[in-house]
Amino acid sequence: EVNLEESGGGLVQPGGSLRLSCTASVFNFSAHSMNWVRQAPGKGLEWVSYITSSGSYKSYGDSAKGRFAISRDNARKTLFLQMDSLRVDDTAVYYCVRGDAVFGVTYDYWGRGTLVTVSS
Amino acid sequence: QVVLTQSPSASASPGASVKVTCTLSSGHSRNAIAWHQQKPEKGPRYLMKVNSDGTYNRGDGIPDRFSGSSSGAERYLTISSLQSDDEADYYCQTWGNGIQGVFGGGTKVTVL
Repeated sequence: EVNLEESGGGLVQPGGSLRLSCTASVFNFSAHSMNWVRQAPGKGLEWVSYITSSGSYKSYGDSAKGRFAISRDNARKTLFLQMDSLRVDDTAVYYCVRGDAVFGVTYDYWGRGTLVTVSS
Repeated sequence: QVVLTQSPSASASPGASVKVTCTLSSGHSRNAIAWHQQKPEKGPRYLMKVNSDGTYNRGDGIPDRFSGSSSGAERYLTISSLQSDDEADYYCQTWGNGIQGVFGGGTKVTVL
């Protein structure tokens, strides 16, 4: 079965940085676009960022623009999210999400998530 | 930018059916959407994709008690033979310009 495992979450002070990783297994990682989606405590789902299968195109939600950077290493089957200038309202569980193989815009597999807490 | 609107809650008795609605904003009535289920304290799980013509495709291992349909700008998720294990939040999802993901606010389904 498809497996996505996030890591790198933790407690960080406002203004700090964190790098999330997502390791994929049991599917052809390099054939799929990928996304990061987050969920603040008690809130709904919020899309954060998208990257094409090759990494040539990236897009960001308004809350991530200018502060977060998505990237991937297809040889290592790993997706990354570099988060800088973190704010208290970035506190959330961050999910690694696979895009479908046809158009890449349907999210067909989710990881279990990693918790990021931004607090002084 | 496309906006998805969901009712906050829905409920039904065990064994009954419940229908969850997701409404696409004006100008986006031809968008396909996906439904995701999130049980308490768990990560989301993909259920299905629903197209504007009412066809749908369930994800791997999703039971046929879960079905999808469409009418105009509305997309539906119907859960038949409702079980206590179906109690969860259900989110619809589509995409906007630049492949930006868009989620509805979620519908909490309660099994009475």
